[in-house]
Amino acid sequence: DGGITQSPKYLFRKEGQNVTLSCEQNLNHDAMYWYRQDPGQGLRLIYYSQIVNDFQKGDIAEGYSVSREKKESFPLTVTSAQKNPTAFYLCASSTKKVRTEAFFGQGTRLTVV
Amino acid sequence: KNQVEQSPQSLIILEGKNCTLQCNYTVSPFSNLRWYKQDTGRGPVSLTIMTFSENTKSNGRYTATLDADTKQSSLHITASQLSDSASYICVVWVSGNTGKLIFGQGTTLQVKP
Repeated sequence: DGGITQSPKYLFRKEGQNVTLSCEQNLNHDAMYWYRQDPGQGLRLIYYSQIVNDFQKGDIAEGYSVSREKKESFPLTVTSAQKNPTAFYLCASSTKKVRTEAFFGQGTRLTVV
Repeated sequence: KNQVEQSPQSLIILEGKNCTLQCNYTVSPFSNLRWYKQDTGRGPVSLTIMTFSENTKSNGRYTATLDADTKQSSLHITASQLSDSASYICVVWVSGNTGKLIFGQGTTLQVKP
């Protein structure tokens, strides 16, 4: 099936550890995005990439890192520098055309214990 | 600053009733506006996409309107069903090379029997 897949669905991390969230798409989309969602707040952009081997910081990039070595994959690493990492993380992808629809993964809920 | 604001923050209605959700945006340059539905713990799913030249767009019982002059949009839900209980998110696409999506905080709708 075509789509965008995030894994794992639930993730627990100890304080001080880095953790990597996976995002894979087989839609042949150029652009991929990572968002963070906290209760009662809108989605906030962490990083986005419009082409392989290139990515830009979003509004809340501190404490996060990404890579875009392949068109299909855009993993997000939550580092120990992220002070409040417990949140729901959503990955999305789209083409770069104006009326394109952005497709979202099912999300990863990260909890720091 | 590019912003998208939605109202009300939450809404409770009885099954079968209609409701209207509001979205105001201050995004420039504007490309298009989307409404998404997000079930709890899931990724958002697109309902409608409208460019500045489109005033109304329907998708079943969902009808979105856009007034590009006043920078306002609304989502009208007709004959609500229990399955309509979700968060509804207004998203504006910023045109240009960055191609960022700006998200509103969402309106949480609860439909009661």
